[in-house]
Amino acid sequence: DAGITQSPRYKITETGRQVTLMCHQTWSHSYMFWYRQDLGHGLRLIYYSAAADITDKGEVPDGYVVSRSKTENFPLTLESATRSQTSVYFCASGDTGELFFGEGSRLTVL
Amino acid sequence: AQRVTQPEKLLSVFKGAPVELKCNYSYSGSPELFWYVQYSRQRLQLLLRHISRESIKGFTADLNKGETSFHLKKPFAQEEDSAMYYCALEGSYNQGGKLIFGQGTELSVKP
Repeated sequence: DAGITQSPRYKITETGRQVTLMCHQTWSHSYMFWYRQDLGHGLRLIYYSAAADITDKGEVPDGYVVSRSKTENFPLTLESATRSQTSVYFCASGDTGELFFGEGSRLTVL
Repeated sequence: AQRVTQPEKLLSVFKGAPVELKCNYSYSGSPELFWYVQYSRQRLQLLLRHISRESIKGFTADLNKGETSFHLKKPFAQEEDSAMYYCALEGSYNQGGKLIFGQGTELSVKP
């Protein structure tokens, strides 16, 4: 099915562990994005990518790493998770201002 | 700096009442503005964008460059309008769909 999918949908981890959130889209959009959603802050951009092998920082990139070896995939890695990274993470893709969002990945860091 | 501000975290109205969700932006160029909506247990999705000048689900939004606002309005709220609403700004040129979102306003429409 065409669309954008995220995995895992729910994840509980411990402080200091590495976590990778996966994102896959089937539209061949050039642009892909990772946002985090927190009460009082709305959606904040973590990283984005304009094409394969091209990534750039957003508003809150510290503690996160991304890669984009293929157009359709845009994984987000928390190298050493902290409690402040407990959040809902949304992946999105789109080239014209209309973004298509995944269902979100709810991450809890204990 | 590019910024989007939604001053109300929660807006509660009764069914049939008018609704206005406020959005103010800060941007030095010519902005592209959007409203996104997230219904309970659904994905965030585009509601409308200012360049299309459409009315979607009875909602309209007018860009006021003088007041740097893009308020979302609906004359008669329905219970199914209850959701989280985000105003968003498309920033720098040639960055595709890179959007800056506001903090969001939760709309609750009571019967």
